[in-house]
Amino acid sequence: EVQLVESGGGLVQPGGSLRLSCVASGFTFSNYWMTWVRQAPGKGLEWVANVKQDGSEKNYVDSVKGRFTISRDNAKNLLFLQMNSLRAEDTAVYYCAREGHTFDIWGQGTMVTVSS
Amino acid sequence: QSVLTQPPSASGTPGQRVTISCSGSSSNIGSHTVNWFQQLPGTAPKLLIYSNNQRPSGVPDRFSGSKSGTSASLAISGLQSEDEADYYCAAWDDSLSGWVFGGGTKLTVL
Repeated sequence: EVQLVESGGGLVQPGGSLRLSCVASGFTFSNYWMTWVRQAPGKGLEWVANVKQDGSEKNYVDSVKGRFTISRDNAKNLLFLQMNSLRAEDTAVYYCAREGHTFDIWGQGTMVTVSS
Repeated sequence: QSVLTQPPSASGTPGQRVTISCSGSSSNIGSHTVNWFQQLPGTAPKLLIYSNNQRPSGVPDRFSGSKSGTSASLAISGLQSEDEADYYCAAWDDSLSGWVFGGGTKLTVL
């Protein structure tokens, strides 16, 4: 079964850091771009970042540039999102997704809450 | 303020046909294909339409997509109660070098 499972969410203070992970199974992970999408409570979807198959190319939404880093470990079928200098407005459910034609496979999401 | 513009809400009765619009610009919809996602309450989004009008396997043919210029539309025919969900359009944006989503449309089946 093709599957993505996120982990690493939780409660963090403003200015703190968190590292999200997403483990892929059921497909050849190294063949696909991978992406992170977030959804603030009661709000719409916002694309956060994506990374090329070999990790050589990365793109970020302006609001997280310089604070978030996307990376991957193809040997372990893992996608990461290192989040530093977290702000209240980063509070959201974070989804990892496979970029086939587009975001064709999604994880169930992991909640990140930034609050003191 | 989302880069792609969708109506915040839409509604219809069972059996009806409803359409949801998605308006963009030359840097996104005008240059790239449009994708649509369905998000049922409390669940992760699901791909509904890709490349403007293609349905992934398992998506009923009641769902169809189209694109013209810098706008796109999702049509749902034979509306069913289980179609009640949030719907989002998305496309790549060359100016932003990133994906952009519409603000979402909440579909209510009356």
